[in-house]
Amino acid sequence: ETGVTQSPTHLIKTRGQQVTLRCSSQSGHNTVSWYQQALGQGPQFIFQYYREEENGRGNFPPRFSGLQFPNYSSELNVNALELDDSALYLCASSLSDSLYGYTFGSGTRLTVV
Amino acid sequence: DAKTTQPNSMESNEEEPVHLPCNHSTISGTDYIHWYRQLPSQGPEYVIHGLTSNVNNRMASLAIAEDRKSSTLILHRATLRDAAVYYCILRLSDGSGNTGKLIFGQGTTLQVKP
Repeated sequence: ETGVTQSPTHLIKTRGQQVTLRCSSQSGHNTVSWYQQALGQGPQFIFQYYREEENGRGNFPPRFSGLQFPNYSSELNVNALELDDSALYLCASSLSDSLYGYTFGSGTRLTVV
Repeated sequence: DAKTTQPNSMESNEEEPVHLPCNHSTISGTDYIHWYRQLPSQGPEYVIHGLTSNVNNRMASLAIAEDRKSSTLILHRATLRDAAVYYCILRLSDGSGNTGKLIFGQGTTLQVKP
C-alpha cells in the first residue's frame, strides 16, 4: 500500500487567485473526500467523490470544486481565494462501505496573502 | 448534523491505560462511531470504529454504551507516541451504501507524561 499522497505540501497564493491541489488515493480505494482544517480546529468536510461523481458536500461555496479521475486520483480547485481560505487541506480515501475507515494524506498547507 | 462532545484535554502517565470519553446523544441508528487521532503536522489516522458492539483492534478498544449515546476509546498502555488529538466522529450514512462524510469536533488533546 502506498497510502494517500498530496501535492504540493505547501503553497502561498495571493487573494483573488485560483489554486489546484492534488491527491493520489490509496491503491484500490474508489472514494475520496476533501477536508479543510483551520489552525487549532478539527477538519471540516468539503465534499466527497465516488466513482467520479460528487455524492456529498459540506457547507462550502461553489468556488470550491473538485474532480475525481478514472484512476481515482482527485483535485480540489478553489477560485477567487480569500484570506480565510488559509488552512491545511486534507484528502482522504476509502473503499465504499469500507470497514476500515478513511486513509488521510498529510495535507497541503495553503497560505493566502 | 449529529455532533459529538469530548473533553478538551486529558493527561496520562506512560504505560497506564487511558479512557477517552465521547458523548453523542443525537446519534441515529445508522451512524457509525469512528475514532481518529492526529499528530502534529500529519493528517488524521484511523484508530477504530463500531456500530453497537464493543470493538478491539491492535491499536485500541472501543466501548459503546447500550443506548449508543456515549462511547469510550481505551488505550491499554499509553506510550509517548500516543500523544495526539483524538477525534470522536459520527460517520453519517447516506443510505446509498457509499461511505458518508465525517463530522469532526474539536477533539481531545492527550498528553502522555513519562
